[in-house]
Amino acid sequence: GQSLEQPSEVTAVEGAIVQINCTYQTSGFYGLSWYQQHDGGAPTFLSYNALDGLEETGRFSSFLSRSDSYGYLLLQELQMKDSASYFCAVGANTNAGKSTFGDGTTLTVKP
Amino acid sequence: EPEVTQTPSHQVTQMGQEVILRCVPISNHLYFYWYRQILGQKVEFLVSFYNNEISEKSEIFDDQFSVERPDGSNFTLKIRSTKLEDSAMYFCASKGREKLFFGSGTQLSVL
Repeated sequence: GQSLEQPSEVTAVEGAIVQINCTYQTSGFYGLSWYQQHDGGAPTFLSYNALDGLEETGRFSSFLSRSDSYGYLLLQELQMKDSASYFCAVGANTNAGKSTFGDGTTLTVKP
Repeated sequence: EPEVTQTPSHQVTQMGQEVILRCVPISNHLYFYWYRQILGQKVEFLVSFYNNEISEKSEIFDDQFSVERPDGSNFTLKIRSTKLEDSAMYFCASKGREKLFFGSGTQLSVL
């Protein structure tokens, strides 16, 4: 089976940096993804790591350590619109394989 | 950017009734999925579909559920006899390059 752990809530102020951690236990690991979901909306893709290291996409970066079964999402220069839920997800090692999502981290950005 | 479209956006039904949720995945994608999300909870995998057949299904996807790709564009989820606990947001997704593209969802309410 697959399981993921991430903090349930994080609060930060506008302009700050926040890191959301994700640890996972899985068989057939294929990659770690991050999705953002605003209230009432669909999850939208943010980032994907298949190999160890850091991937940077604008204000968002994601890191993966396969040996530690650990990754994180780093959000810089926080804006109010970044208030949302953030899900890490592990992908199975088949093309049609499912992604298993964590419980999500609710990020609240305060002025 | 191409989109996954879902209809209807809301569906209210009586317990025991059949519902069909419809999705149009992104045209050049090959892998299709249904996920569901109960309010405030994580995104749960239901089923994956490739090459006109189910690749994988979760424990949630029991005999009451079925999926079809009746033509070259539509992808449907049918629930034969809805139960109260089927009330959730149902998301269709298609995959391109390890990135899941989600539709805006169908909010199913079973009364």
